[in-house]
Order: sequence, then C-alpha cells, then structure tokens
Amino acid sequence: DTGVSQNPRHKITKRGQNVTFRCDPISEHNRLYWYRQTLGQGPEFLTYFQNEAQLEKSRLLSDRFSAERPKGSFSTLEIQRTEQGDSAMYLCASSFSGGSNTGELFFGEGSRLTVL
Amino acid sequence: GQNIDQPTEMTATEGAIVQINCTYQTSGFNGLFWYQQHAGEAPTFLSYNVLDGLEEKGRFSSFLSRSKGYSYLLLKELQMKDSASYLCAVRDRTGGFKTIFGAGTRLFVKA
Repeated sequence: DTGVSQNPRHKITKRGQNVTFRCDPISEHNRLYWYRQTLGQGPEFLTYFQNEAQLEKSRLLSDRFSAERPKGSFSTLEIQRTEQGDSAMYLCASSFSGGSNTGELFFGEGSRLTVL
Repeated sequence: GQNIDQPTEMTATEGAIVQINCTYQTSGFNGLFWYQQHAGEAPTFLSYNVLDGLEEKGRFSSFLSRSKGYSYLLLKELQMKDSASYLCAVRDRTGGFKTIFGAGTRLFVKA
C-alpha cells in the first residue's frame, strides 16, 4: 500500500497526558499537512510542511501542539497536557507540488483521539 | 484571512441532478478543490478549478468564477452511493499554499 499511513488509528487517553501521532506520506510527496476534524465539520487546518520546513501553524493552535517532519519524510504531531476539547479526528494529508500537477491532497485514514 | 461558505445539508432523489454551491473569500487564491467524504472515511479528491469555467469529469462537474468568489459542484444521475459530505476547499498562496476547507455539505440521496 503506497497511500498515506497514520498511526495509531485510535487513541484513548486521560486528560493531562501527552499523545503523539505519526504520519507517513506518499513517498514522492513534498508537502505534508495536519488537520483536525470534529463531527459535522470540515477539516480544520493545523500546520503544513514543505519538505522538512514547517511553513505555517494555525493561530488557533495552542503551544501544547507541536509537529515535526525530520528529513522531510514522516511527520509527528504531539499534543501535550491533553484536554477534553482535543478529542477529534486528526487527519494527515500529503501532496506533490511541481509541474502541471494540481497538488490535490491525499489523506490518511486519520487518528481518532478521545480524551477522558 | 479566508472564509468559505456552503450549505449545511441538501437532499435529492436518485437519478436527479444536484448543484452544491460554495462561496469563498481569500487574499491569495491559488485554486479551488472539491472533495467527497463518506461517513467515517477520509476525504477523497473530486475536482480542481484554477481558471474560470466548467471542468467536467464523468457524472461530476465543477464550475469556478474567480471574480465572484463562487464555485459549484454538479452531480448528475445521482446514485445512492453519492450520499456523503462534499467539501469545498481553497488553496491560498499567502503564507505558503495551504488548503483551507469549508464545513462541508451533507448530501442525502433518497430513492
């Protein structure tokens, strides 16, 4: 399978704990995005990488959220001191920019976080 | 900033045609996308418009008017499997080409 891979698929944690999600993008894709989605809403932009550089982070994101993409390959999203409001589906997407490519996003299946 | 508006829900009959509208405001428009998302699944790409006009792909077509900040997705010959959320998304080159999504339109196709 050469699609976008995310793990874990499900995570249940207690309030105050730290959690980390991993995303492996499609190998030739240079852009990687993290989104958060709650029921009945569209994906909410969190942050975005071009290769290993983090180009933008949503102002909605508190300092408890951090993301990395070492060596421009896989990415991790860490949430520190989780709160119940962090419960959501965390989606990773990748795309290729260049040439005549439209740059559409390819999404992973998501990591569902439940904070008790 | 960016703002994307689309209707929350629509209902249509199997075999019919439905048009889902989207209006947007963005400072650095660099393309408009439509994605389909079935319940419990990840969004999948449907269409892309960067120039004004109609793009047709099988039963699905998408239209863009950049001057009006307006797009629509047209679904023909509706099938039950088309029941899903349809997400309008805009790519903005301000700050590095991020893609912002609307809240989505939930389409219910009835027999």
